Amino acid sequence: DTGVSQNPRHKITKRGQNVTFRCDPISEHNRLYWYRQTLGQGPEFLTYFQNEAQLEKSRLLSDRFSAERPKGSFSTLEIQRTEQGDSAMYLCASSSGARPPYEQYFGPGTRLTVT
Amino acid sequence: GENVEQHPSTLSVQEGDSAVIKCTYSDSASNYFPWYKQELGKRPQLIIDIRSNVGEKKDQRIAVTLNKTAKHFSLHITETQPEDSAVYFCAARAPGGYNKLIFGAGTRLAVHP
Repeated sequence: DTGVSQNPRHKITKRGQNVTFRCDPISEHNRLYWYRQTLGQGPEFLTYFQNEAQLEKSRLLSDRFSAERPKGSFSTLEIQRTEQGDSAMYLCASSSGARPPYEQYFGPGTRLTVT
Repeated sequence: GENVEQHPSTLSVQEGDSAVIKCTYSDSASNYFPWYKQELGKRPQLIIDIRSNVGEKKDQRIAVTLNKTAKHFSLHITETQPEDSAVYFCAARAPGGYNKLIFGAGTRLAVHP
């Protein structure tokens, strides 16, 4: 499968613990996005990377959230001191910057449950 | 910022009927409008998209129309099949250069045999 991959697919954690998710984009894609999706809602934008540079962060991304893309390939999203309100599906998407309209392709997501 | 509203939230049709899902957006500078299909437990899949310089685009049984003046765009599915049952999301690309998508809340489509 040459699509976007995410690990783990599911994560259950206790409130207050730290969690880290990984996203591997489509190999030739230099643009990477993180979104959060709660039940019954559309994905909400969290942050955007172009190569290794984090160029935009949503107000939803509190100081407990940090994302990196150190070599411009895979990305990690870390949540510190998790809260029950962090329970959601975390989706990663990637796109090529080579030619508009820069379609975004999504990974399968990491479902986080905070107990 | 950009806001996208999507209607209806649920839609039930008989197999073979047509289904229409409508979205409105707020920022007239938005220039790209994709539609995603999400089956239960699976990733959102891009099914069709339209750019602001085009009024209509068709791909087999699905089509999208865009009315820039009214800031409306719609998804049309003809000859629906049970495998079309899923949640459909519209989105608009916010202007500003970074291509983030603003999504509607989704439409749950059920196609009954």
